[in-house]
Amino acid sequence: DVKVTQSSRYLVKRTGEKVFLECVQDMDHENMFWYRQDPGLGLRLIYFSYDVKMKEKGDIPEGYSVSREKKERFSLILESASTNQTSMYLCASSLQGRWQETQYFGPGTRLLVL
Amino acid sequence: KNQVEQSPQSLIILEGKNCTLQCNYTVSPFSNLRWYKQDTGRGPVSLTIMTFSENTKSNGRYTATLDADTKQSSLHITASQLSDSASYICVVSRYNDMRFGAGTRLTVKP
Repeated sequence: DVKVTQSSRYLVKRTGEKVFLECVQDMDHENMFWYRQDPGLGLRLIYFSYDVKMKEKGDIPEGYSVSREKKERFSLILESASTNQTSMYLCASSLQGRWQETQYFGPGTRLLVL
Repeated sequence: KNQVEQSPQSLIILEGKNCTLQCNYTVSPFSNLRWYKQDTGRGPVSLTIMTFSENTKSNGRYTATLDADTKQSSLHITASQLSDSASYICVVSRYNDMRFGAGTRLTVKP
């Protein structure tokens, strides 16, 4: 079974703090994704990566950056957290076909920015 | 306007009853359509996947249908169980991206 883990289930941070969210997958998947999920809006893509050190912007990259130094690990960074970044953050991975393959999701990190 | 619209937003049914969730999309052209189940506090899990040429796909008590002409899909749940309480998300893939519906929140009551 594919396993995608995220470093924290819940996080509380203050405005202006730098926040790191980490995601690890154990199935040697090429692609990894970061989404945020807000009520009524569905999942929105922040960034994705199709290879080590490669990244592409999704629909809402502003205020975020990512890092993929190893194939199994994909980090999301909030450079200076703001209250409008309070959300559920979901990491996912998939095998090869970026948008055609099933994505396997982690349990999510619920972030509250005060 | 979202390219993938789901209805209803929420639904409450009694255990043992059937229900149908709807997904209308404007995404075109598309590669495939998936239904995901998301339990509270967990990430989504894929239930079914259909390509353009498929009309129906079953996974146990879950049956998804697709009408590519009208750009509509439905997820039918038969003999609901308490464990079916979750959000159900419709996802449409194109060659170069993937679009998510906002989901339908299903509550099954005893």
